[in-house]
Formats: sequence, C-alpha cells, structure tokens
Amino acid sequence: LAKTTQPISMDSYEGQEVNITCSHNNIATNDYITWYQQFPSQGPRFIIQGYKTKVTNEVASLFIPADRKSSTLSLPRVSLSDTAVYYCLVGPSMEYGNKLVFGAGTILRVKS
Amino acid sequence: SQTIHQWPATLVQPVGSPLSLECTVEGTSNPNLYWYRQAAGRGLQLLFYSIGIDQISSEVPQNLSASRPQDRQFILSSKKLLLSDSGFYLCAWSSGTGGALVDTEAFFGQGTRLTVV
Repeated sequence: LAKTTQPISMDSYEGQEVNITCSHNNIATNDYITWYQQFPSQGPRFIIQGYKTKVTNEVASLFIPADRKSSTLSLPRVSLSDTAVYYCLVGPSMEYGNKLVFGAGTILRVKS
Repeated sequence: SQTIHQWPATLVQPVGSPLSLECTVEGTSNPNLYWYRQAAGRGLQLLFYSIGIDQISSEVPQNLSASRPQDRQFILSSKKLLLSDSGFYLCAWSSGTGGALVDTEAFFGQGTRLTVV
C-alpha cells in the first residue's frame, strides 16, 4: 500500500478556504485517492474520491496533479462544524482488496 | 438501504476478563468487513479484515481475535483483556463486489468505547 504523509494539524477561521495536502510518492497505477472525515467519538465518513485531475462534490474538491504523487483536499468556507480529523487514503478499489489502512490524519481546528 | 449495527456503545471491563463485540450489516451481501481500534488522540489501527466467511486477515499481533460466523456478522473477541486494550473500537464494511457508487468508500458503525480497568 502506498504510504501517505499529511500535516499533523492545521488551524483556520470560519469562512476561510482550507487546503490539506497529502503526499503519496509511491502511488500505484490502480490506486484511488480517498479522503475521510472523523468527528470525535464517531467513525470516519467518506468525503471524496478521485483518480486524477479535479473532483468536486457538495462537500469538497479534490485536486490531483498529473503525476498523482500528491493530492489536495479543499474545503470551501469552513465553519466550526468542520473541526475534525481528515484522513488521506491511497489504495485500489474495494473490489481488489483495499484493506483501508488509515494514517494519522490531519487535525483541522476551525476557530471563530 | 445498507446499515451497520455495532454494540455495545460503551463497555467497562476488568483486566483479565473476556470480550465480545458484535457488528452486523444489513442490506448488502458479501461485504468486506473491518475492525479498527483507536486509542485516545491517535489514528485508526486496522485490526482485522475479512473478505468472506472464514477469510479473516489479522493485521496486528495482539490478544484479540475475530470471527465471521455469518456473511454479515463480524465479532471481535478476547479471552483476557489487558489495560492496553482500552480504546474506541470501530467496525466498518465496504462493498466486496465493486457495486458501490465509488470504489473506495467504507461505512462505519458508531463504535464501542472500551475501558479496561
């Protein structure tokens, strides 16, 4: 499985855009990039998945450069409720035995 | 729709006592099933991963074991708990047949907060 590296923590203020970058230098050809969000005392929740270029949904955007060695999760206009741990995962489709191994994640603290 | 049930929500057990945590999934068949543990302020540690009945992979050596007696039932057990077994235990499932809307989405239960005293 490709190893990922994320910042340990980030601070932001309400209304700002937050970008969290994940490095995955040894990503494999059939690997997807997936981000999860975890609130205290809850299980992680899927946010977004991408393979290359840019993906956007109602929650976030995911930017993936052509070499796919990194990715950036972008949260537009964060609010206090976006305070959580964000995990970047790299691995194949579940159909091909993705064990879903989580790293340490990035603690995002949104302040008023 | 698919749902995942995990119980109990909280548990306080003495050192040396046995453990049994149960997780069931509804609304899907042949799911991949996972057990994770999260220590306070730490990331998720994958404990067990199962792609089918009697197909369980242990990811971390410890005094825990897992069983999958039915397709959608996953049980985490211990014969004798240690203080270090305290933590937040999470069960999760993902589609094992590639039928999910996205290829790498997993769904988590609400978790069990285990305190070993």
